[in-house]
Amino acid sequence: EIVMTQSPATLSVSPGERATLSCRASQSAANNLAWYQQKPGQTPRLLIYGASTRATGIPGRFSGSGSGTEFTLTISGLQSEDFAVYYCQQYHDWPLLTFGGGTKVDIK
Amino acid sequence: QLQLQESGPRLVKSAETLSLTCSVSGDSIRSNADHWGWIRQPPGKGLEWIASISYSGHTSYNASLKTRVSIFVDTSKNQFSLEVTATTAADTALYYCARVNAGYFFDYWGQGILVTVSS
Repeated sequence: EIVMTQSPATLSVSPGERATLSCRASQSAANNLAWYQQKPGQTPRLLIYGASTRATGIPGRFSGSGSGTEFTLTISGLQSEDFAVYYCQQYHDWPLLTFGGGTKVDIK
Repeated sequence: QLQLQESGPRLVKSAETLSLTCSVSGDSIRSNADHWGWIRQPPGKGLEWIASISYSGHTSYNASLKTRVSIFVDTSKNQFSLEVTATTAADTALYYCARVNAGYFFDYWGQGILVTVSS
């Protein structure tokens, strides 16, 4: 099983600044990684798949990078609606799928 | 627009079986190579993938839940279902159904249903 570890658990960022979230895989996941955003009381939303491809309708300020065991989600110019919890998920070990524990981005 | 909707009992007694159904609208459950899956989220915690199924019935399960979980598909009703046996308080969670794009990642989600397992 590929274990996904996200850091930090909480990231405090001021509006307009950049947020950098990390996701580490216990073994190579190649580029088979997705990112999700979950706002309080809402359903998770797919942001990124293939480590760097934005899903339909996702703003350009969200970007994903990395491959193998190290992945990054960058949010440039944080807006108020971006404060949420973000999860990574690997599918390299298909059909077994695993999520990271999440990173909460809150207002500094 | 593809929509998914979970249904089922919101309260289950400990040791009994939790049964949920996901109704899919806006597309046929067997229209392409996508899979269909269940994810759960205990209150205040993160996401946990439970199981996935293809329209043809190929299944995959989270290893930690495999002995207690079953997933089914009913293409005639455009639905898929989840059963969790021998429930405990640890199974209390918000249960989501979702489309698993190509079997890989979750691109459409239901609104979720909170299921409480009580003693």
